[in-house]
Amino acid sequence: GQNIDQPTEMTATEGAIVQINCTYQTSGFNGLFWYQQHAGEAPTFLSYNVLDGLEEKGRFSSFLSRSKGYSYLLLKELQMKDSASYLCAVLDSNYQLIWGAGTKLIIKP
Amino acid sequence: ETGVTQTPRHLVMGMTNKKSLKCEQHLGHNAMYWYKQSAKKPLELMFVYSLEERVENNSVPSRFSPECPNSSHLFLHLHTLQPEDSALYLCASSPREREIGTDTQYFGPGTRLTVL
Repeated sequence: GQNIDQPTEMTATEGAIVQINCTYQTSGFNGLFWYQQHAGEAPTFLSYNVLDGLEEKGRFSSFLSRSKGYSYLLLKELQMKDSASYLCAVLDSNYQLIWGAGTKLIIKP
Repeated sequence: ETGVTQTPRHLVMGMTNKKSLKCEQHLGHNAMYWYKQSAKKPLELMFVYSLEERVENNSVPSRFSPECPNSSHLFLHLHTLQPEDSALYLCASSPREREIGTDTQYFGPGTRLTVL
């Protein structure tokens, strides 16, 4: 079966760095997405990785290792507004998105 | 502003009611999706429409009935729902241009549904 694993909840301190991991087992691979979802709001697109390596976009970076079935989202200089759920999703060989359950990130002052 | 709107934002209904959820996308996309989001569970894909044709129906109970009159509008008709259907219902759209290699989905704000 297809499976996406990510931690249920993480806590970090304002100004610090946090890494949210995602491992996947899917039938085929056409890319991995990270979305941010604030409570009661729509998921919003953060990043897309299809090749191995690190993609940097401001304070957020996303890493992919296809051979390990592994990705992480790195958030630097954390701000209170980064408190949200972070969703990992993989586009499989049928171009269907397989979703993880999300990681709730709590930022403390 | 994500370019995908949903109405209503909140809905409370009894098990015998009939109601409809509406989604509209202003992004010129070819595909639209309905998802169910329950607490601490992955997003569950319910239906996919591509160019107004239903291309996926993931074993969703018949009490949920989708309608896609054109590529910009998507409805989810609800009837005789159960309390376990209470959840956040999200609509999304995407370009669905596979030759580009990726197909990023953009979401609406969702409808919070409570079934009493």
